[in-house]
Parts: sequence; structure tokens; C-alpha cells
Amino acid sequence: QVQLVQSGAEVKKPGASVKLSCKASGYTFSDYYINWVRQTPGQGLEWMGWINPNRGSTKYAQHFQGRVTMTTDASIRTAYMELSRLTFDDTAVYFCTRDFSGSYNGFDVWGQGTTVSVSS
Amino acid sequence: SFELTQPPSVSVSPGQTARITCSGDVLPNQYAYWYQQRPGRAPILLIYRDTERPSGIPERFSASTSGTTITLTISGVQADDEADYYCQSADSSGTAVFGTGTTVTVL
Repeated sequence: QVQLVQSGAEVKKPGASVKLSCKASGYTFSDYYINWVRQTPGQGLEWMGWINPNRGSTKYAQHFQGRVTMTTDASIRTAYMELSRLTFDDTAVYFCTRDFSGSYNGFDVWGQGTTVSVSS
Repeated sequence: SFELTQPPSVSVSPGQTARITCSGDVLPNQYAYWYQQRPGRAPILLIYRDTERPSGIPERFSASTSGTTITLTISGVQADDEADYYCQSADSSGTAVFGTGTTVTVL
């Protein structure tokens, strides 16, 4: 079945970087953008950006510009999101989700989420 | 970027109808989506393209639009509907935004 499976929980110190993965299965990887969404404790959903696996093009939310890098490895159907210069405010659950390019079908499949804790 | 505003909370008795609004200037020109999120879980897509329902989503979830406001309606609310609900849209540049979120409490 269609799935996005994310990597395990991470604990990082302030100033460090974290790189999360999101492995896709059950569909044509290149047909769907991968978006990253985070949720800080007790707060709402925050869109971080997307990557087009077909071309490698990206769009990042202004809030994360200069700190986030999204990449893919089509050979293993995996998307990555790296966030640098972590602060305590980056403690959150990070989700990957897909949407079909240009279809306006919404984020129809989500990963299970990866918890990132930033602690000194 | 733009903003989407939702009421923080909505309370409803079982069997009654819950309505959740989402307001934003971009909504007359861009599609809107609704997601349900239960505690500790990933969101689930409830509505896409303003009013369309994905397969597997019960018919008691519906949506409507009017100008800068979209409304999610949950008819015949069940205890299982207690969750957070988020609207979402995107501008023409591909920047997506989620609404502020609404907690639905079933009394």
C-alpha cells in the first residue's frame, strides 16, 4: 500500500543540524512532491516547504529560508530534510507528506512523524 | 505570506452538527483543504479542492465556501470526531499555509 515511513527520533544540541528521512513506497515516487510539515508541542501545523523529486526543485517557507535543505534520492525512493542551526524552538514533530503535482488533491498521505528534541 | 484564521475551539453534543470556519483573503482564488488530527497521530485529509471528499471519508464530513470563508461541517457528530481540525491553502507561488487549528470537543 501507499506509505511514507520516516526515520526515528533525534536528540540534538543547540547549534547542531538534523537530517530526517522519508521513504516512499506503493506509488511512483517522481509523480508526487514531498512536503515537510512540523508541529511544535501543543501548537498547530507549520508548512516548511516542498521538493519535486522529478526535477529536484524546491520551495521553502520564508521562516526556514537559509536553514532548511530538502533533497531526494530517487534510487531508494527517499526524501530528506536537513535543518541547521537548531534552537530550542525547533523541538517538534516533523512530518513528510505528499501531493500530486498540479492536481490540487491535497496532502493525501502522511508519514508517521519524527520527533526532534533540541536540548543542551 | 498569507494567514488562515480558525476559531480555537468548537463544542458539540453527540448527534448534533459542528461547523468550523476558516477565513483568509486568499480563499476566493485558491483551493482549500481540511485535515483531521487526533492526538499523537498524523493528520488525515478530509476535504480537497474546497468541497471534495476523498474515498473513505464519511459523508457526514462536508465543506462549503463563501467569499473569504470556508466552512467544514460535521453532521451527526460522534465521539470519535473529537480531534483538531486544520484548514490549508496555498498561494500561486506554491507557498502553503495551515490555519490556526480548531479543537472539536464532543460533550
